Amino acid sequence: DGGITQSPKYLFRKEGQNVTLSCEQNLNHDAMYWYRQDPGQGLRLIYYSQIVNDFQKGDIAEGYSVSREKKESFPLTVTSAQKNPTAFYLCASKALAGGTTFTDTQYFGPGTRLTVL
Amino acid sequence: AQTVTQSQPEMSVQEAETVTLSCTYDTSENNYYLFWYKQPPSRQMILVIRQEAYKQQNATENRFSVNFQKAAKSFSLKISDSQLGDTAMYFCAFLGPNSGYALNFGKGTSLLVTP
Repeated sequence: DGGITQSPKYLFRKEGQNVTLSCEQNLNHDAMYWYRQDPGQGLRLIYYSQIVNDFQKGDIAEGYSVSREKKESFPLTVTSAQKNPTAFYLCASKALAGGTTFTDTQYFGPGTRLTVL
Repeated sequence: AQTVTQSQPEMSVQEAETVTLSCTYDTSENNYYLFWYKQPPSRQMILVIRQEAYKQQNATENRFSVNFQKAAKSFSLKISDSQLGDTAMYFCAFLGPNSGYALNFGKGTSLLVTP
């Protein structure tokens, strides 16, 4: 089945540690996105990538880093510089051209819940 | 930057009844897209319905329909014949050509469907 997978589902981080959240898609989508969700808030964009080896900062990129070495994968690293990383993290992807899906519609993974101990 | 406002933090409806969730947005763009996403307790974000701004006809998907008023910048979601499985957070989202290909989300409306 085509879709987006995120792992792990739950992640615990100690103060000062870097952690990496995985996002993989087999939809052959070009663009991928990372969002952060806090209680009572909508989703806020952290980073996005439209093509391999290229990515752009979103609204709240400070304390995060990403890479896009493969079309299918867009891992997010939460660094120790991120002062308040406890949140729910959602990955999404979107086709940019052609195919059977709308090129304006993002599809989401199941999310990762990160908690700082 | 575009802003999306959902003025109803919480709503409830009885099973089989109809409920309307409100969304307004602010933009100077003419061509854009609007979405409603559903986030049930599992927290998976699920696309409910999408609307292309250049289409005047309101989008429908089974029991879900929208009332898109472009001049008023309003995009409400109507859920007919509400079911217990409709209980979820509902987010309105905007996508425009100048928004960096990323969605701008409202803060959500928590909908509870009661028996």
